[in-house]
Amino acid sequence: EAQVTQNPRYLITVTGKKLTVTCSQNMNHEYMSWYRQDPGLGLRQIYYSMNVEVTDKGDVPEGYKVSRKEKRNFPLILESPSPNQTSLYFCASSLGLRRTNEKLFFGSGTQLSVL
Amino acid sequence: KQEVTQIPAALSVPEGENLVLNCSFTDSAIYNLQWFRQDPGKGLTSLLLIQSSQREQTSGRLNASLDKSSGRSTLYIAASQPGDSATYLCAAPQTGNMLTFGGGTRLMVKP
Repeated sequence: EAQVTQNPRYLITVTGKKLTVTCSQNMNHEYMSWYRQDPGLGLRQIYYSMNVEVTDKGDVPEGYKVSRKEKRNFPLILESPSPNQTSLYFCASSLGLRRTNEKLFFGSGTQLSVL
Repeated sequence: KQEVTQIPAALSVPEGENLVLNCSFTDSAIYNLQWFRQDPGKGLTSLLLIQSSQREQTSGRLNASLDKSSGRSTLYIAASQPGDSATYLCAAPQTGNMLTFGGGTRLMVKP
């Protein structure tokens, strides 16, 4: 089954404790992206990757890191989480964002709480 | 920078009604526009993607239209059902390789 898999589904942590949210897709997609969703602010893009070893900042990259060492995986790293990073996070992938007929596929989300 | 607005923010209708959700965008230089559905606490599912060369796209009871010149897209849902209750979001590309999402329309269809 074609899917984007995120783990964990729920995560509670404390300020300053490094964490990684994993994202994997099995569709051989080139484009992968991370979003956060907050009430009243909607979905905002954190980082994206056009292909292996190619990453770029989105609208809200501060406090986050990403890497794309393999085509299928795109982990989101919070080196020193803070309470304002409490949010619902989504990973998404597409064959190629600028291909006019390619849809974006989303993972099920990771609810992160930073205490 | 692309800005995407969705009106109304919330909508409640009785079952069986036809309804229209609106999406407006500021930068008309788009190559496509997508409509998504999100159920509470879940991820987004792509419903329809309209290419810039198209004016409409249909899937079952859903029909999406795109008017680039006016910066507007609409999602038409025919014969609404309680199972259609969800939040509907539209997304338009912005410069670079990013998508900008609207705030969504939260739809409730009452039996």
